Amino acid sequence: DTGVSQNPRHKITKRGQNVTFRCDPISEHNRLYWYRQTLGQGPEFLTYFQNEAQLEKSRLLSDRFSAERPKGSFSTLEIQRTEQGDSAMYLCASSLAEGLETQYFGPGTRLLVL
Amino acid sequence: GDSVTQMEGPVTLSEEAFLTINCTYTATGYPSLFWYVQYPGEGLQLLLKATKADDKGSNKGFEATYRKETTSFHLEKGSVQVSDSAVYFCAPSGGTSYGKLTFGQGTILTVHP
Repeated sequence: DTGVSQNPRHKITKRGQNVTFRCDPISEHNRLYWYRQTLGQGPEFLTYFQNEAQLEKSRLLSDRFSAERPKGSFSTLEIQRTEQGDSAMYLCASSLAEGLETQYFGPGTRLLVL
Repeated sequence: GDSVTQMEGPVTLSEEAFLTINCTYTATGYPSLFWYVQYPGEGLQLLLKATKADDKGSNKGFEATYRKETTSFHLEKGSVQVSDSAVYFCAPSGGTSYGKLTFGQGTILTVHP
């Protein structure tokens, strides 16, 4: 068990650019989640996948955000036309697909939009 | 929707002091309750959990009891150590079949020698 991994760990970009983050969940975990954490706050839910299906998206996830999990394994989160308000830590978590199972978090990708 | 109210920090204690961090929640259905911890420079880690009323979760000397009647899940430790300095998050998972977590704002704990 290598845990949840995320890449890159840090990303600095200019306003208006597109960015993409990757999450590799724990191998046997069917569920994958994305959260966003701003400074001094708790993480906020963005979206959830069961296998390759995206089953819920938060209202926080504007049209500029898109997430995929094409083969039910790794996931990508893309932000188009980044804005300074997108600066945050983007966290990925995974869990088994049984009831309310524990979510295991990756180290996060810290995004800074200049 | 679900919500969490956590004791405001920061909390500063001397080593071996008793710790309580209050957490109350609102959630639909019958959530599981979690405490996560974030050590400096590290990712979120599960500290403990409880899945039904009156359950007590415990780990590393920390405890929390699922109180359905008061919708609370207060975190306690009898004797804190410097290494417990971190940010603590309370999070119910409920209202969905898959356990979406709703986090509190976090409580910063600093323990001095």
